[in-house]
Amino acid sequence: NAGVTQTPKFRVLKTGQSMTLLCAQDMNHEYMYWYRQDPGMGLRLIHYSVGEGTTAKGEVPDGYNVSRLKKQNFLLGLESAAPSQTSVYFCASRTGNPNYGYTFGSGTRLTVV
Amino acid sequence: SQKIEQNSEALNIQEGKTATLTCNYTNYSPAYLQWYRQDPGRGPVFLLLIRENEKEKRKERLKVTFDTTLKQSLFHITASQPADSATYLCAPSGGYNKLIFGAGTRLAVHP
Repeated sequence: NAGVTQTPKFRVLKTGQSMTLLCAQDMNHEYMYWYRQDPGMGLRLIHYSVGEGTTAKGEVPDGYNVSRLKKQNFLLGLESAAPSQTSVYFCASRTGNPNYGYTFGSGTRLTVV
Repeated sequence: SQKIEQNSEALNIQEGKTATLTCNYTNYSPAYLQWYRQDPGRGPVFLLLIRENEKEKRKERLKVTFDTTLKQSLFHITASQPADSATYLCAPSGGYNKLIFGAGTRLAVHP
């Protein structure tokens, strides 16, 4: 079982460029989440999905878009990257039963110059 | 707005002692609270979940308490080992579908 896989692991973008971060899970989880983590701050929720074809905004959604066309994949897009989006991005998933914790990926370190 | 507070200063303890980490939350009443461990360069790993109607939960050397009156959770590691050194994140539920994470407390266990 691979769990939650994020690609790429590292990326450097120039301001204004676009990119897509891919999250894939093989646990048949209903819920998927994208967080960003910055030094001294907690994980902040960007967008999340409660099932295939659904998405919802989290705490810091501006500048990001997401899609969940397949249950196992959750894509995070940056249309026009800004230096403020330099961060470590984590994807997580969980089963529909809230008694269980999240399974996180290993993260994508993104630098926007 | 909902706010989570964890000690920003690292906690340094001697091997074999009990480590106690604190999580305080304000402006809401979570239905449950989770604790995660995060190692440098890695994603968080789920440790324990405690519900609002549970006072205490244990798992091996770990113990979590949840005081809804004080709006506080305490996380204990007994007989701590150097391998327990990591950052520990508190995450009260912020609604049915999502968690709100604290910034974490770094624990360093010295031999």
